[in-house]
Amino acid sequence: AQSVTQLDSQVPVFEEAPVELRCNYSSSVSVYLFWYVQYPNQGLQLLLKYLSGSTLVESINGFEAEFNKSQTSFHLRKPSVHISDTAEYFCAVSDGNTDKLIFGTGTRLQVFP
Amino acid sequence: NAGVTQTPKFQVLKTGQSMTLQCAQDMNHNSMYWYRQDPGMGLRLIYYSASEGTTDKGEVPNGYNVSRLNKREFSLRLESAAPSQTSVYFCASSELQGRSPLHFGNGTRLTVT
Repeated sequence: AQSVTQLDSQVPVFEEAPVELRCNYSSSVSVYLFWYVQYPNQGLQLLLKYLSGSTLVESINGFEAEFNKSQTSFHLRKPSVHISDTAEYFCAVSDGNTDKLIFGTGTRLQVFP
Repeated sequence: NAGVTQTPKFQVLKTGQSMTLQCAQDMNHNSMYWYRQDPGMGLRLIYYSASEGTTDKGEVPNGYNVSRLNKREFSLRLESAAPSQTSVYFCASSELQGRSPLHFGNGTRLTVT
């Protein structure tokens, strides 16, 4: 069965520093990959997705993620974070064979001034 | 632009009581889902409905039942609440199961004493 691993439960970083949130998934023939963001007391919102095509995908607020098939990873990066990026980030993987969406356990990004 | 609406936002139950969590979406989505979110465990799928008229078990269905009332509404019922069901419950919908992004409600915080 498909599984998703987010090794870092918390990532503290200073404002304007770069950040990488790691996501690895178990191997599968075909996958669809997502990053969601959750702000306090809210539901999850889609940040970006990879379905096919270019392996580098970007969001409107400066985040990007790269699909690496050989390493079964989909790490999320931002070159310069803002205080407003403080939130919990969830990686999710949909197995192309079963269409089941599996979430990682989340990474809490804390941005300090 | 209501999106996905969940009611209630908060609920406290005594062990053994029953309740129904309501969810409605106005995006004409085919698929709907119920997740629970617990600290350190990410989101776990309870039940889903790939299309109107169908429902299937997810990862943690025990103790829950669902009804896909029509295309818009998908309710979750706890017949006899237990303290282990204390959690935050999220309803979500998507155009298609698997590759389409999920749209989440703002959650129901349930405490079972």
